[in-house]
Amino acid sequence: SQKIEQNSEALNIQEGKTATLTCNYTNYSPAYLQWYRQDPGRGPVFLLLIRENEKEKRKERLKVTFDTTLKQSLFHITASQPADSATYLCALGAGNNRKLIWGLGTSLAVNP
Amino acid sequence: DGGITQSPKYLFRKEGQNVTLSCEQNLNHDAMYWYRQDPGQGLRLIYYSQIVNDFQKGDIAEGYSVSREKKESFPLTVTSAQKNPTAFYLCASSTLAGGLETQYFGPGTRLLVL
Repeated sequence: SQKIEQNSEALNIQEGKTATLTCNYTNYSPAYLQWYRQDPGRGPVFLLLIRENEKEKRKERLKVTFDTTLKQSLFHITASQPADSATYLCALGAGNNRKLIWGLGTSLAVNP
Repeated sequence: DGGITQSPKYLFRKEGQNVTLSCEQNLNHDAMYWYRQDPGQGLRLIYYSQIVNDFQKGDIAEGYSVSREKKESFPLTVTSAQKNPTAFYLCASSTLAGGLETQYFGPGTRLLVL
């Protein structure tokens, strides 16, 4: 069956460092992959989307890579800030299928 | 001010009672979704609708029902058949542009059982 795995343990880093979160998947050929941010008690918010034929995407301090051979995406936050502390979810999509496949999320804590 | 709203923020259900969670969007999105989120289990799809007057079961539809009479609205009813309804419920909407699906979420409703 289709499966997505994200860092199961919470990630704690020091302010100013780069946070790197991992999303691995099996038994799936996504057309695109997305990253969302979720704060406690709130709905997820879309951050970035990367297509299967793209290697890297950037938006301000965020960078996403997508390796369809390794079946892996890496999500980087450079110059991290305490305000970046949240849970980050990855989601896979394919073509006209309206359902996304969601990972469980990785909790990130940026310490001042 | 476009967006997706859910109400109420907190909802209490008594034993044997049906309760309805509201979800409204003014983004003109064609598709709408209901997810349930429990600690450590991520987002699980309950129902989704791609068009008015049509909807499909997700992975955990048992004990839930929905309707889609208007494009803007997708209410979820948690019936008495749902034996473990305590959870955080999230509604989302989306439009398919260029084969890409991005979902926009409401603020969520937390359902608690008395």
